[in-house]
Amino acid sequence: KAGVTQTPRYLIKTRGQQVTLSCSPISGHRSVSWYQQTPGQGLQFLFEYFSETQRNKGNFPGRFSGRQFSNSRSEMNVSTLELGDSALYLCASSLVLGGTGYEQYFGPGTRLTVT
Amino acid sequence: GNSVTQMEGPVTLSEEAFLTINCTYTATGYPSLFWYVQYPGEGLQLLLKATKADDKGSNKGFEATYRKETTSFHLEKGSVQVSDSAVYFCALSNSNSGYALNFGKGTSLLVTP
Repeated sequence: KAGVTQTPRYLIKTRGQQVTLSCSPISGHRSVSWYQQTPGQGLQFLFEYFSETQRNKGNFPGRFSGRQFSNSRSEMNVSTLELGDSALYLCASSLVLGGTGYEQYFGPGTRLTVT
Repeated sequence: GNSVTQMEGPVTLSEEAFLTINCTYTATGYPSLFWYVQYPGEGLQLLLKATKADDKGSNKGFEATYRKETTSFHLEKGSVQVSDSAVYFCALSNSNSGYALNFGKGTSLLVTP
């Protein structure tokens, strides 16, 4: 099976702009989660989508949003970019572990640099 | 709430040395525990997991045992290789947080020939 794919791999944006990142999960996986990785804060959960509905959300401002399509592909959007949004954004595709949680498989990430 | 604490790195070892990376957690109920590895310039790869107390996860020579009494999930490998150089993350997921992963800060491992 193909793994999780994320596009683009690298982005450079200017403060105040907006950006959209894309994620295609592993075939058959219906849950997609997004994480932000920075040197200072480490890995932080942004949100999770399942069957086109946001099911869980981390502690990020409303400038961060997402959506999921009927084919399970997901996008996340960041509006009014700030320098602190520079990070590696990771998408994870989830396999349910029979009621004990998920097994999450990560894509290679999108490296966003805000100047 | 849920949290994970890992030993600070970087850890530098010679090839064939024994590796231990400590991980302890705080959580209510019965979380699932994971180790992920991140190679330079890449995303996270699931290394191993354990979903209940006393489970042992293992993969590629790495092992970790879910110890509820000590709330720990230490990663071990008997003989490391240069190719094991990477950053290792301990993580938990719990039903009370919608199964979102809570990560430790990561431990950087450098194995020298």
